[in-house]
Amino acid sequence: EAQVTQNPRYLITVTGKKLTVTCSQNMNHEYMSWYRQDPGLGLRQIYYSMNVEVTDKGDVPEGYKVSRKEKRNFPLILESPSPNQTSLYFCASSTRANYGYTFGSGTRLTVV
Amino acid sequence: QQPVQSPQAVILREGEDAVINCSSSKALYSVHWYRQKHGEAPVFLMILLKGGEQKGHEKISASFNEKKQQSSLYLTASQLSYSGTYFCGTEGSARQLTFGSGTQLTVLP
Repeated sequence: EAQVTQNPRYLITVTGKKLTVTCSQNMNHEYMSWYRQDPGLGLRQIYYSMNVEVTDKGDVPEGYKVSRKEKRNFPLILESPSPNQTSLYFCASSTRANYGYTFGSGTRLTVV
Repeated sequence: QQPVQSPQAVILREGEDAVINCSSSKALYSVHWYRQKHGEAPVFLMILLKGGEQKGHEKISASFNEKKQQSSLYLTASQLSYSGTYFCGTEGSARQLTFGSGTQLTVLP
């Protein structure tokens, strides 16, 4: 089944403890992207990647890192999480520009 | 910059029509539309491309005015299953997909 897989689905962590949210797609998509969703603010892009080793900042990149070493994987790294990074995170992928994105199921992160 | 969506929320009865608008301040290559049901991930509805080509897979229509950088999503004869939050997303020259804040649609029996 064609899908974008995120792990974990839920995560509660403490301030400052490094964490990684994984994202993997099995559709051979070129484009991958990370979004965070907060009430009233919609989906805001954190980082995106148009191919292996090609990444760029979205609208809210502060406090996040990404890497794209393989086409299928696009992990999101929080080096020192803070409570304002408590949010619902989505990974998404697309075959190329001007095509729709497939979203993962989401990761609900709580930083205390 | 996020595109601006209107209205923020709409409530209608089954069988009624609705229009959701999306406007951007930057030149657009394409406009995407997605629907998100409560507790689920957004699902792609359709994409409208500069030049008029439309790609989608649901029985919902949309328009794209390239000059005004605006798009509208038309839901006709709404069904209960249409309830959810609708997001427009815009792609500019950098191919970055930026979403609006969403329109919450509720269809009542």
